[in-house]
Amino acid sequence: GESVGLHLPTLSVQEGDNSIINCAYSNSASDYFIWYKQESGKGPQFIIDIRSNMDKRQGQRVTVLLNKTVKHLSLQIAATQPGDSAVYFCAESLNDYKLSFGAGTTVTVRA
Amino acid sequence: ETGVTQTPRHLVMGMTNKKSLKCEQHLGHNAMYWYKQSAKKPLELMFVYNFKEQTENNSVPSRFSPECPNSSHLFLHLHTLQPEDSALYLCASSQGQNSPLHFGNGTRLTVT
Repeated sequence: GESVGLHLPTLSVQEGDNSIINCAYSNSASDYFIWYKQESGKGPQFIIDIRSNMDKRQGQRVTVLLNKTVKHLSLQIAATQPGDSAVYFCAESLNDYKLSFGAGTTVTVRA
Repeated sequence: ETGVTQTPRHLVMGMTNKKSLKCEQHLGHNAMYWYKQSAKKPLELMFVYNFKEQTENNSVPSRFSPECPNSSHLFLHLHTLQPEDSALYLCASSQGQNSPLHFGNGTRLTVT
């Protein structure tokens, strides 16, 4: 499953498929980007981050891609599992303590 | 266990009440934050403290008053709130600039 374009608020994906969540950020000078996962009744949980001097970073089952030319950030989740159902937020900052968050994408994993 | 503990988890208060939200971090971080999360809106930064000093007040109304007695504790004092202040209030901490924020599970506030 894939959310295309600037931002889609929801994404439905079949269990076992790969998920791609997209995010357009606003400030071309931002130099730090981060993805969070928020489950119902909990606070946002850190997934992965990337700095502007990189265009790709991999974690466990997740990959973040950064395209500074078009100010686009994406999160890829491999072999999506039911436990991946949550709201996913991207955030950006400009060398300071202030993280600016996107609106979030709700991911639902179908069995 | 997130390393950041917020109490209470739920709070219902009238518009004339005074209450306080508490946050404690056990991660040894030097920066602490308050964020507001309302339905269908992005997280809004309210306050930032770095080494107990307030470095950011994001145009927050004075009915919200933060207090940071040390690098591990953060409070948000509430008085004369409005119903539109009902939201999830999230506390977070981080080691420094451009590093991940670690969030607590929030206080769900309802103003009646």
